[in-house]
Amino acid sequence: QVQLQESGPGLVKPSETLSLTCTVSGGSISIYYWSWIRQPPGKGLEWIGYIYNSGSADYNPSLKSRVTISVDTSKNQFSLQLSSVTAADTAVYYCARDREFGHWGQGTLVTVSS
Amino acid sequence: QSALTQPASVSGSPGQSITISCTGTSSDIGTYNDVSWYQQHPGKAPKLMIYAVNIRPSGVSIRFSGSKSGNTASLTISGLQAEDEADYYCTSYTSNTTPVFGGGTKLTVL
Repeated sequence: QVQLQESGPGLVKPSETLSLTCTVSGGSISIYYWSWIRQPPGKGLEWIGYIYNSGSADYNPSLKSRVTISVDTSKNQFSLQLSSVTAADTAVYYCARDREFGHWGQGTLVTVSS
Repeated sequence: QSALTQPASVSGSPGQSITISCTGTSSDIGTYNDVSWYQQHPGKAPKLMIYAVNIRPSGVSIRFSGSKSGNTASLTISGLQAEDEADYYCTSYTSNTTPVFGGGTKLTVL
């Protein structure tokens, strides 16, 4: 059974870069689509972007200028970098598998604050 | 890309059926059958309940069903149970080949 686990700092300063990693166990990261999705406190879900074919990526047009998703197949991990963060980027960040988001990590809260 | 439109809340009594709508445009729901539905309990990660408009993943109760007509997709829950109380989200892929979420619907079981 595939499992996903997000990790990274829980607090990021404004204007800095948010960096998170999703570690995948129970399956190869070389296949499937791998996404980042976020949810601000008390609000709905927002797709950030995904990576597939071990390197191709697509991003939410509203975040595209600030987002980079990359994959490390040797560690079975993929990562999110979101630059120039503001308080509006405070959210629970989830990683998920498949175009249909059939498998999710438990999520990690990232707060943007000085 | 604009978010899909869902009602903010719906409610029903145990045993009843409810339907949650998800309205998009001809650039997403109206053209693509990549519509999925998710259930999210407080403090938990979302769970996939329906994909490809009307397919249930293994382990999802047959009380959950999906459909689509024109630019609107729907999730129906029959035989409502207390454990169904949760937030529900729809998604659809778009002409940009990227997905967009609905705003979410809070289901209350009376």
